[in-house]
Order: sequence, then structure tokens, then C-alpha cells
Amino acid sequence: SQQGEEDPQALSIQEGENATMNCSYKTSINNLQWYRQNSGRGLVHLILIRSNEREKHSGRLRVTLDTSKKSSSLLITASRAADTASYFCASYNQGGKLIFGQGTELSVKP
Amino acid sequence: EAGVVQSPRYKIIEKKQPVAFWCNPISGHNTLYWYRQNLGQGPELLIRYENEEAVDDSQLPKDRFSAERLKGVDSTLKIQPAELGDSAVYLCASSLFGSYNEQFFGPGTRLTVL
Repeated sequence: SQQGEEDPQALSIQEGENATMNCSYKTSINNLQWYRQNSGRGLVHLILIRSNEREKHSGRLRVTLDTSKKSSSLLITASRAADTASYFCASYNQGGKLIFGQGTELSVKP
Repeated sequence: EAGVVQSPRYKIIEKKQPVAFWCNPISGHNTLYWYRQNLGQGPELLIRYENEEAVDDSQLPKDRFSAERLKGVDSTLKIQPAELGDSAVYLCASSLFGSYNEQFFGPGTRLTVL
């Protein structure tokens, strides 16, 4: 079964707006990762946040992690049409297996 | 630097036929993964290799699926015989040795079983 659950399942915004996606997980983690998947393509690693970190930035991406609530969020600022993709959070379980959420499908309209 | 290479990109077969997928990981990556991704879902791990050893194949349906990584580099995933429910995207990924690393994914093979 999937460890992560993502919210919302789908998000549609206008170019220039910010997009926020949320992820919840079930067990303790070493780190949490976010991946992007363009239609019909493989996944691309975006950012990794360790369990002792609360916030991390990379370009237009901001990730937060709240281990007490077992949740994370991904914020994309000033979105572009090229950001249209599915976004997945993923974390390793105790057995060293990377477990993905079901993903958020983001559509950015020009 | 070349990424993870997979072939073929697309495969259409009839049920009960065999099919094989090939993956060449990033040079120097000891760990190789095969995932299956159903439509609208995240990838699910089928098998993980550390060099040529399969260290986690608990999710691999062993009655019809098999995998090998003979020289610890490229890998093949086989399904025989294929069933309708096997239609999915099969993704290969690789990472440096050790737990908790980021994984690098190939473009995947989209399998359609008719």
C-alpha cells in the first residue's frame, strides 16, 4: 500500500499564481523527497528534505516538513505553463523501500 | 552524463505472450530498481538490486515475473505469460549505493496487453 497521500489530487491554476501541494505519510522517515513527472515521461527528482529540517528552498520551490504531523508541502511560486506535470512525494520506509504517494496533477494555464 | 536508459519505450502484446524490458542505469550506480506504475498512481517497487544481488523482491509476482542483473550493470525484467492486468508503465531507476538516496528514473516502458 502507498505510504504517502497527497492533496489535492488535481490542481488547476493560471500562470504566475502559486501552487501548493500537500503530502502526508504514515511512519517515521529519514527524509522526504518530491518528484515531478511530465506526461508519458519518467520521474525527475526535485528536492529532498531531511527529517531534521523544517524548510528547504530550491529556485521557485519551497518544501516544508512537519514531522509531528507527518506532513510535507511543496510550494511552486510564480508558476509557468512548463510546470504542468504530476508531482509525487516519496519517503523510505523502515525496510529501505521508497514509497510514493498517488500524486497531484498540476495544470498551469497560460 | 547519460541518464537511465530503457527500451523499448512502448510495447503492445496479446495476453499470454512473453515480454521483456531492458534497463541500463547511470554509470557507477550500484543500486537498480524496477517499478510498476498504474494509471493515476505513484510507482510501486517490484524489485531492488544492490550490484547483482536482488535484495528486495517481495513485491515481484514470481509466478510470472522474473528479473536479472547478471554483471551488476544492466538489467532485464520479464513477464511470461502476460495478463491484461499487467498493462502499466514499467520504470527503471538507479541510485548510488546506500539507503535513502535520491533515485534517477528512466523514461519507462508503456506496456499494453490486449
